[in-house]
Formats: sequence, C-alpha cells, structure tokens
Amino acid sequence: DGGITQSPKYLFRKEGQNVTLSCEQNLNHDAMYWYRQDPGQGLRLIYYSQIVNDFQKGDIAEGYSVSREKKESFPLTVTSAQKNPTAFYLCASSPGQGAGEQYFGPGTRLTVT
Amino acid sequence: AQSVTQLDSQVPVFEEAPVELRCNYSSSVSVYLFWYVQYPNQGLQLLLKYLSGSTLVESINGFEAEFNKSQTSFHLRKPSVHISDTAEYFCAVSEAGGGNKLTFGTGTQLKVEL
Repeated sequence: DGGITQSPKYLFRKEGQNVTLSCEQNLNHDAMYWYRQDPGQGLRLIYYSQIVNDFQKGDIAEGYSVSREKKESFPLTVTSAQKNPTAFYLCASSPGQGAGEQYFGPGTRLTVT
Repeated sequence: AQSVTQLDSQVPVFEEAPVELRCNYSSSVSVYLFWYVQYPNQGLQLLLKYLSGSTLVESINGFEAEFNKSQTSFHLRKPSVHISDTAEYFCAVSEAGGGNKLTFGTGTQLKVEL
C-alpha cells in the first residue's frame, strides 16, 4: 500500500527533552511538509522540503528542526527550545509539481509534561 | 500572501438536513482550492478540489463545492447529511505557481445529530 506513515501515534516526554517524530512516505513524492495542529487554530506549517537535502522554514519554525537526507523520510525534532510543544503533529507529502494537493499521514500526538 | 477564512467554528445539524460550510479566501493571484475532512485523531483526507474548468466540483460521498471568483468563496454543501459526516472540515488554498504550499482555514466542526 502506498502512503505516509508517522510513528509513534502517541508520544510522551518530559519538559527539557528533545524528541524526534518520524515521517516516511512511499509515494515517490518530492515535497514533504510538517504541520502543527492545535484546537481552533487549524494547521500551521512548521517546515517543508521540496527536494532532498533542502528545506525551508514555515510559519512557526522556532524550536523545531528537520532533515531531508532521503526522499522517503522527513523527521521532525521538537527541541527543548519549543515553548509549548504539546500538540498534534501532521506530516504530508505532495508530488512537487502541479496544483498543491497534499496527502497526509495519520499524525502523532505529542504530550510534554 | 493568501489567507483562508472559515467563519463557522461549529455547525450543528440534524441528520438528513442540508448543510453549508463557508469558506472565503484572499489572494492576489490565481488559486487552487481544497476541502479536507478530518475524523478524530486522524490525518486529513482530501474531500474535493478545484483546479480549473467547471466551478462546481463534487466528491464521491455527496458533497459539492462551488468556486465563486467574484465573491472569493468556495463553500461546501451537502443536501442531506448523515451521522457519519460528523467530522472537522478544513478549507485550504494554494497559489498557482506557489510551489504547492497550502494555507488552511481554522476548520469547521460539523456535528450531525439524530
């Protein structure tokens, strides 16, 4: 089955720890994205990558980091500098050409206490 | 830069009644428009999209949306809702030539009641 996988589904961390969220796709898509979702705020773009070894900051990149060493993988690290990291994180991908349609993974719910 | 407004954060409706979820956008260039649906604790699924051509687009489960350029709107409608339509609905826009970046509205929670 082609698609996007995110792991784990639920993640718990103590404040002050870095944590890395996994995102893998087998759709052969060039572009990948990370969003943060909070109640009543919709989806906000954290980082995106349109090609391997390149990525750009989105609207709320502070406190986050990413890498894009392989086409299939786009991990997101939530660092201790992120002031309010508890949220639902969604990864998406798109072919990179065309009209912008994105395909989403199932999400990771991160809780930091 | 583009923006999307979904004025209704929640829309309660009885089963088999019609529903309209409103979406307005702002952009200085041509746009592509999307509606996504999200069930609890899941990712987003594409419901329908407008790229070009006919301004009325339909989904396989009975939803439709009409692109209205003069009113910069892309409202989502269904003539008769089902309990299973209960979900959150997001409108999104991308700009032609804008590299596939989507801007999302804040979402509308549709709650279908018996």
